[in-house]
Amino acid sequence: NAGVTQTPKFQVLKTGQSMTLQCAQDMNHEYMSWYRQDPGMGLRLIHYSVGAGITDQGEVPNGYNVSRSTTEDFPLRLLSAAPSQTSVYFCASSYATSTAIFSNYGYTFGSGTRLTVV
Amino acid sequence: RKEVEQDPGPFNVPEGATVAFNCTYSNSASQSFFWYRQDCRKEPKLLMSVYSSGNEDGRFTAQLNRASQYISLLIRDSKLSDSATYLCVVPRDNYGQNFVFGPGTRLSVLP
Repeated sequence: NAGVTQTPKFQVLKTGQSMTLQCAQDMNHEYMSWYRQDPGMGLRLIHYSVGAGITDQGEVPNGYNVSRSTTEDFPLRLLSAAPSQTSVYFCASSYATSTAIFSNYGYTFGSGTRLTVV
Repeated sequence: RKEVEQDPGPFNVPEGATVAFNCTYSNSASQSFFWYRQDCRKEPKLLMSVYSSGNEDGRFTAQLNRASQYISLLIRDSKLSDSATYLCVVPRDNYGQNFVFGPGTRLSVLP
């Protein structure tokens, strides 16, 4: 199993450019999410999806769009890159459960995308 | 109280030492918790889940104190390979699908 695959691993953008970070998982996980990690800030949730066709905002969604057309893929689009979006981006997936408050399912993370906006 | 707070660290301990990290959380309805480890410039990886009163896996023990709303991670007989940042993770809401990651506690095990 490949697990969670993120591409690209590194990217440099100019301010105002747009791009899509790709995320794919082969574990048939219902739940997928995008986090960004900045020094001293910990991981912050950008967007998440509980299944194909369903997406929702996390705590820092501004400047990002997502879609979930298939169970496997959850791309993150940067609409107009800004230097404040320089960060490490992680995609994560997990099983969902109807009794999620008792969930013992942790996340599987991709290896990350290091994005620099100049 | 912040959603998740952790010992700020860093912790520098010699090989073989026992070290404990604490994590406090604000959502009293939270039921399941996790500890992740993150190596430098790598993705977080699940270390152990914590529910009921605690969990043990080899040299690692996680304990949960619901009354005081904290969880702890105890590492016995520390190895050089335990050097990493340890992230405490708690549910953000009662549906348990969105989680809040703590800022992490960095551990360096010294030879």
